[in-house]
Amino acid sequence: QVQLVQSGAEVRKPESSVKVSCKVSGGTFRSYAITWVRQAPGQGLEWMGGIIPVTTTVRYAQKFRERVTITADGSTNTAYMELRRLRSDDTAIYYCARGMQFWSGDYWGQGSLVTVSS
Amino acid sequence: QSVLTQPPSVSAAPGQKVTISCSGSSSNIGDNYVSWYQHLPGTAPKLLIYEDDLRPSGIPDRFSGSKSGTSAALAITGLQTGDEADYYCGTWDSSLSVVVFGGGTKLTVL
Repeated sequence: QVQLVQSGAEVRKPESSVKVSCKVSGGTFRSYAITWVRQAPGQGLEWMGGIIPVTTTVRYAQKFRERVTITADGSTNTAYMELRRLRSDDTAIYYCARGMQFWSGDYWGQGSLVTVSS
Repeated sequence: QSVLTQPPSVSAAPGQKVTISCSGSSSNIGDNYVSWYQHLPGTAPKLLIYEDDLRPSGIPDRFSGSKSGTSAALAITGLQTGDEADYYCGTWDSSLSVVVFGGGTKLTVL
């Protein structure tokens, strides 16, 4: 049974950074695409980027390209998403997902709430 | 403004059929597979359809996907109150090299 377990809720101040983790268990990690999606309050799903660990291919949405870094640690089957220079409109639930492509996540993490507030 | 266009809302009575459209362009839907998700806010999205018309195991055949040219559609038959959720289409955009989602469609089962 594949499971993605994400790190817990975070509260950050504007201009700080946050790093969310996503540990994959029960299945293959390296050869799948790990994608990061967020949902801000009252908004739809927004793709941030993704990584394919076996090829170290990383892709980012243009909107986040200068502020986000996505990495993967094959030794612990864990992916990470770091978002820098946080703003209040980065307050959202952040999800990781595993799938054959970046847009076909069949297993999802439980979500990590990131709140940005002064 | 989403790259893929979905109607903001659709509604139908229990037992009826509803179709949710997703319109794109030659660089996204016209060039790549489409996925569909069901999402209840605060929970993880659930993959309903991948590669245009395939269902993951455990997804009932009441859910079906189709694609023609630069448009895709999700059909749900035998509507149940438990189907009330937001539905999103998603695909890869070959020109932008990013995943694009529709803005989401809220389904109400009257």
